[in-house]
Amino acid sequence: ELKVEQNPLFLSMQEGKNYTIYCNYSTTSDRLYWYRQDPGKSLESLFVLLSNGAVKQEGRLMASLDTKARLSTLHITAAVHDLSATYFCAVLYSGGGADGLTFGKGTHLIIQP
Amino acid sequence: NAGVTQTPKFQVLKTGQSMTLQCAQDMNHNSMYWYRQDPGMGLRLIYYSASEGTTDKGEVPNGYNVSRLNKREFSLRLESAAPSQTSVYFCASRRQGTGNTIYFGEGSWLTVV
Repeated sequence: ELKVEQNPLFLSMQEGKNYTIYCNYSTTSDRLYWYRQDPGKSLESLFVLLSNGAVKQEGRLMASLDTKARLSTLHITAAVHDLSATYFCAVLYSGGGADGLTFGKGTHLIIQP
Repeated sequence: NAGVTQTPKFQVLKTGQSMTLQCAQDMNHNSMYWYRQDPGMGLRLIYYSASEGTTDKGEVPNGYNVSRLNKREFSLRLESAAPSQTSVYFCASRRQGTGNTIYFGEGSWLTVV
């Protein structure tokens, strides 16, 4: 059974600071997704990481994937209030007839002025 | 661009009542999914459909049925609603192939009293 663990689950930080969210998963996979969710809203795709060593950046967010360690990180640089949201990592399992994303429980991020 | 459309957006049911959540996508995607989101649990896969005419159970299928009516539409039915099915339901879809983004609908808020 594929398990995806995120930490921390809750993070309060100040504007201008840097921080990293970690995502560990239990089964070999090379397709990892990061999503953002605002309260009461749907999930917005941030990054799709396809291979070992993949790194993607968009604005103040940067995601990386280490398939050997089964670890992905989402790094926030010089945080701003607008980045306050819940961030989910998810691993795509597609094999043996199965399909679908397995999600972590999410990291609730609050960025304070 | 409609993307993934879910109806209804909000619904209150009495215990034992039945209802169907509708989902349609206009992106010609093969795979479609139904997830439920509960506080602190992330998203959990209920059912998925890898192609028209096929459906398979996900992590939490009990109490639900699905129909892949055609390539565009994937419905989720609660035959006899229970309070434990109070949740936010998300439909999603993707085009098969490595790295394709999974798109989510806006969500359906269901309360069973």
